[in-house]
Amino acid sequence: EAGVAQSPRYKIIEKRQSVAFWCNPISGHATLYWYQQILGQGPKLLIQFQNNGVVDDSQLPKDRFSAERLKGVDSTLKIQPAKLEDSAVYLCASSSTSASSYEQYFGPGTRLTVT
Amino acid sequence: AQTVTQSQPEMSVQEAETVTLSCTYDTSESNYYLFWYKQPPSRQMILVIRQEAYKQQNATENRFSVNFQKAAKSFSLKISDSQLGDTAMYFCAPQSGQNFVFGPGTRLSVLP
Repeated sequence: EAGVAQSPRYKIIEKRQSVAFWCNPISGHATLYWYQQILGQGPKLLIQFQNNGVVDDSQLPKDRFSAERLKGVDSTLKIQPAKLEDSAVYLCASSSTSASSYEQYFGPGTRLTVT
Repeated sequence: AQTVTQSQPEMSVQEAETVTLSCTYDTSESNYYLFWYKQPPSRQMILVIRQEAYKQQNATENRFSVNFQKAAKSFSLKISDSQLGDTAMYFCAPQSGQNFVFGPGTRLSVLP
């Protein structure tokens, strides 16, 4: 079974530029999560999708961050314009709604550096 | 909002010895799962062990076991016979609905 795929793995941009990250979850997983992990901290949930609908985006800075999951499979997370404090690893995870524990499977992450 | 405390930012242990990582949390839910995830340096997050809150028996996975005290909202991870490959950040993550709330992590170094 293929795992969660993310691209790119690394990205360096200047502040005020825009950037997009892509995630492909495990096949059949209805729930998809985007996390922001600042160096030395635990992951913080940005947004959660179930199929193509948003379940929780309470911690997403909506003035600059946006995310979509068209067709309920792949997802993209966009930042526009980026700020220095957006430097972090962006993790994508997926889980199956048929599993009672909602165990999450993580991708390798995208490391973003904003200069 | 649910809070998770991991009071040991860093720990070290000699290879083959035993180490315990602590975690306390706050939740209003009656039934939930708790997880420990491991994040090796520059590698992705993987599940170490899970515990169902309504089960009194502590979960065990090979060298990894938990001490779950539901009333105290405590969920510690014990690693026996530590190996060099156990060097990683360890995150405690109680379930909250369909979400997890991750603790700040404990950086564990296994020394040869």
